[in-house]
Amino acid sequence: DAGVIQSPRHEVTEMGQEVTLRCKPISGHNSLFWYRQTMMRGLELLIYFNNNVPIDDSGMPEDRFSAKMPNASFSTLKIQPSEPRDSAVYFCASSLGANTEAFFGQGTRLTVV
Amino acid sequence: SQKIEQNSEALNIQEGKTATLTCNYTNYSPAYLQWYRQDPGRGPVFLLLIRENEKEKRKERLKVTFDTTLKQSLFHITASQPADSATYLCALDPNAGNMLTFGGGTRLMVKP
Repeated sequence: DAGVIQSPRHEVTEMGQEVTLRCKPISGHNSLFWYRQTMMRGLELLIYFNNNVPIDDSGMPEDRFSAKMPNASFSTLKIQPSEPRDSAVYFCASSLGANTEAFFGQGTRLTVV
Repeated sequence: SQKIEQNSEALNIQEGKTATLTCNYTNYSPAYLQWYRQDPGRGPVFLLLIRENEKEKRKERLKVTFDTTLKQSLFHITASQPADSATYLCALDPNAGNMLTFGGGTRLMVKP
C-alpha cells in the first residue's frame, strides 16, 4: 500500500475562494481523521470518521469548514470561503480503530493570501 | 480543562547520550498513550504505543514509560544519534472514542 495519499501537496489561494483538500486512506482502515497543524496551536483534530460516518466534528473551527467521506477510499475537507487565518498544514490520517497507530499523509500546505 | 503538555523548548544533547522527553496530561484517564516522530515537511510517524496496564515498553533504542498516577509518560532514546533529531509528539485518546489528541511536541537536536 502507498500509505495515506493527500492532494494537493501545496495550495495557494486568494481570500474568499473555495478550497478542497483530498485524502485517500489506507485500504482496510475504518477510521479517518483530519488534522490542522500550525506553529501556534500545534496539531489539532478537526473531524473523525468511522466507517465513512462523521463521529465527531467538534474540532471544526467554523461553518466555513466541511468534510465528507462518500466512500471508504476517499474524503474531502472543504473551506468556503477561505481566509488568511486558515493558512496551515492540513493532515489526513487513517487507522484500524481504537488502540491502534494512526498513519498520516504528507499533508497539504495551504496558504490563503 | 483538559491538556496534554510537552516541553516546548528544544532539547539539545550530545550524540551518544540518552534523550528523555516528557509528556504530562491533566483531566484525562487514557487507556493508552502513543508517541510519534515528525520530521520537517512530513506527517507524524508512529513509534510506540503503551497501554495503561503497562509500565514500560521498549523498541530497539526507544523506551516509553507510563505512570497513570503521575499522569505522565517519559520517552527515552538511548545512544542518541544526529539522525534522531526531530520533533516528538505524544498523543492519547481522551475519551476512549478513538479521537487521537496530540501534545505540542518537543524538538530534539542531537549534536555530533
